Amino acid sequence: AQKITQTQPGMFVQEKEAVTLDCTYDTSDPSYGLFWYKQPSSGEMIFLIYQGSYDQQNATEGRYSLNFQKARKSANLVISASQLGDSAMYFCAMSDNNNDMRFGAGTRLTVKP
Amino acid sequence: EPEVTQTPSHQVTQMGQEVILRCVPISNHLYFYWYRQILGQKVEFLVSFYNNEISEKSEIFDDQFSVERPDGSNFTLKIRSTKLEDSAMYFCASSAVLAGKPRSYNEQFFGPGTRLTVL
Repeated sequence: AQKITQTQPGMFVQEKEAVTLDCTYDTSDPSYGLFWYKQPSSGEMIFLIYQGSYDQQNATEGRYSLNFQKARKSANLVISASQLGDSAMYFCAMSDNNNDMRFGAGTRLTVKP
Repeated sequence: EPEVTQTPSHQVTQMGQEVILRCVPISNHLYFYWYRQILGQKVEFLVSFYNNEISEKSEIFDDQFSVERPDGSNFTLKIRSTKLEDSAMYFCASSAVLAGKPRSYNEQFFGPGTRLTVL
């Protein structure tokens, strides 16, 4: 069974600094995808970044990058140059060949001015 | 840009009543999903739907729940007899079949959610 773990219920970061949000996962399926979603206070789920289990390079999307360490089964999200608008809940999720998606408990990020 | 839409945005119902939550997935997507998020908690998978049938469901998706694609555009979630603990935000999502991509790559586009309140 899939399991996604986010051990940081809350994180604080100073505006313009970088922050790393942790995510570890567990699956027996060799083919899987890892995702990060942002959920602002308005409630919508916003896709940020994807990493495939067979991808050789870490994924990057603008200020977001995914630090993928396959042997450790970790997929940490790095946000560079934090902005006030980055304050939100961040969910790590995984999809395997069952084609559903399981989410971690989330990390609430607060960016301080 | 195409998006997933959901109606209503907020539904209030009495315990024991039936509710139907509606979703219009992105038009060329073939996989559909329902998730729920109890206030302050994580997003939980309920069910996935492909080719007019359920492809996977979680332990939450018991006999009180059903899904249907009644026409070419809508995807509905029905809760037959609502309980207080069904109060949550319900998200619909859809994803495409991507040529050349592994099945596990299924970026899911989420709708804005329906907030269900059971009194």
